[in-house]
Amino acid sequence: DAGVIQSPRHEVTEMGQEVTLRCKPISGHDYLFWYRQTMMRGLELLIYFNNNVPIDDSGMPEDRFSAKMPNASFSTLKIQPSEPRDSAVYFCASSLKPDRGWGAVSGNTIYFGEGSWLTVV
Amino acid sequence: KNQVEQSPQSLIILEGKNCTLQCNYTVSPFSNLRWYKQDTGRGPVSLTIMTFSENTKSNGRYTATLDADTKQSSLHITASQLSDSASYICVVSALWMIKAAGNKLTFGGGTRVLVKP
Repeated sequence: DAGVIQSPRHEVTEMGQEVTLRCKPISGHDYLFWYRQTMMRGLELLIYFNNNVPIDDSGMPEDRFSAKMPNASFSTLKIQPSEPRDSAVYFCASSLKPDRGWGAVSGNTIYFGEGSWLTVV
Repeated sequence: KNQVEQSPQSLIILEGKNCTLQCNYTVSPFSNLRWYKQDTGRGPVSLTIMTFSENTKSNGRYTATLDADTKQSSLHITASQLSDSASYICVVSALWMIKAAGNKLTFGGGTRVLVKP
């Protein structure tokens, strides 16, 4: 499998422009995550989907951010309008559904893409 | 508040030497702890996942330990190689009491390791 595929790898855009980041998760994975990484704050979860349904978007910084997952093999993270403080690396990640029942504690490996490096000037 | 603290923030070691990275957490209820390796300019790659019942887990030259009582974990790198130069991120998962929701991850700030020849 090619792993989680993200595009673009690098994007430089002007403040106020719309930015769309794309992700193709690993085939068969039930969960898809969007993370943001900065030097100051490290890795932060923005939103995650389970079976294409957004489950928790509490990490989305504000209304300028939106994410969609129209099907099991594609997701987008959109920033409109973009601001310089949005400059960061945005990671998409996917995983299988945890093999767990109620209260079980087994984990599931989360596979990250290579990231989209966004610079807003 | 769930927190994950890693130490040291950075370290430099000579090729061939061993080193140990520390991770302390306050995440509760605990589900599992993961170590990730992130090369510069790349996405994080999973090294290990440990549940509360596992004390030690190895992946090649990487050995992770977990003490769920003291809420501490360590990652030991044996006979370091230049390719071990990377950031190592400790991630702790809290168990959400909602069956379909999955685990909630708290990320440490990472330890940046530089291996010199």
